[in-house]
Amino acid sequence: KQEVTQIPAALSVPEGENLVLNCSFTDSAIYNLQWFRQDPGKGLTSLLLIQSSQREQTSGRLNASLDKSSGRSTLYIAASQPGDSATYLCAAIPRGGTSYGKLTFGQGTILTVHP
Amino acid sequence: GAVVSQHPSWVICKSGTSVKIECRSLDFQATTMFWYRQFPKQSLMLMATSNEGSKATYEQGVEKDKFLINHASLTLSTLTVTSAHPEDSSFYICSANLGPGTDTQYFGPGTRLTVL
Repeated sequence: KQEVTQIPAALSVPEGENLVLNCSFTDSAIYNLQWFRQDPGKGLTSLLLIQSSQREQTSGRLNASLDKSSGRSTLYIAASQPGDSATYLCAAIPRGGTSYGKLTFGQGTILTVHP
Repeated sequence: GAVVSQHPSWVICKSGTSVKIECRSLDFQATTMFWYRQFPKQSLMLMATSNEGSKATYEQGVEKDKFLINHASLTLSTLTVTSAHPEDSSFYICSANLGPGTDTQYFGPGTRLTVL
């Protein structure tokens, strides 16, 4: 059974700092790995999706990497801003068959960027 | 991009009543939708997979008679919490993707259920 762990559980940084969020998964036979953002009381916003054949994906100030062999993914946020404050979730996406589409989520990292 | 909506966004009900939550794919057809539950300060847990035109498949530990799922069309799945109790209070989120072979899942905005 896939288990996804995120470290740290919470992070508070001053504006402008570069930061790294960590995600680890126990079953390396994943199809994709996806990073989401969740604002309080809201749904999920997809940030980046890394396919199993890829090593990283970039979107603006965000960069996500994937190392399947070690079961790890990182989300790098450059020049953090107060608007980046949210909970960041990673999810492992299994290969097809009966597990198709069933994401396994980590507990999330609560990020606070203060001015 | 693909948009998934949910209705209602929040609901408060009395213990023992049933509540229906709708999940719609607005600009695409979804043969499969997924229902997740999120308790406060916890992550999302998959409850069930909703399949258009067939029965839903439930994850272990989820009572199918309590959480009724109907996927009557390619753009609508409903989750009915029957005889709701305070322990069912949670944030319910649905998701859908564009079909087999596609990657990104699109999530609805969630429904906050509070059972008094």
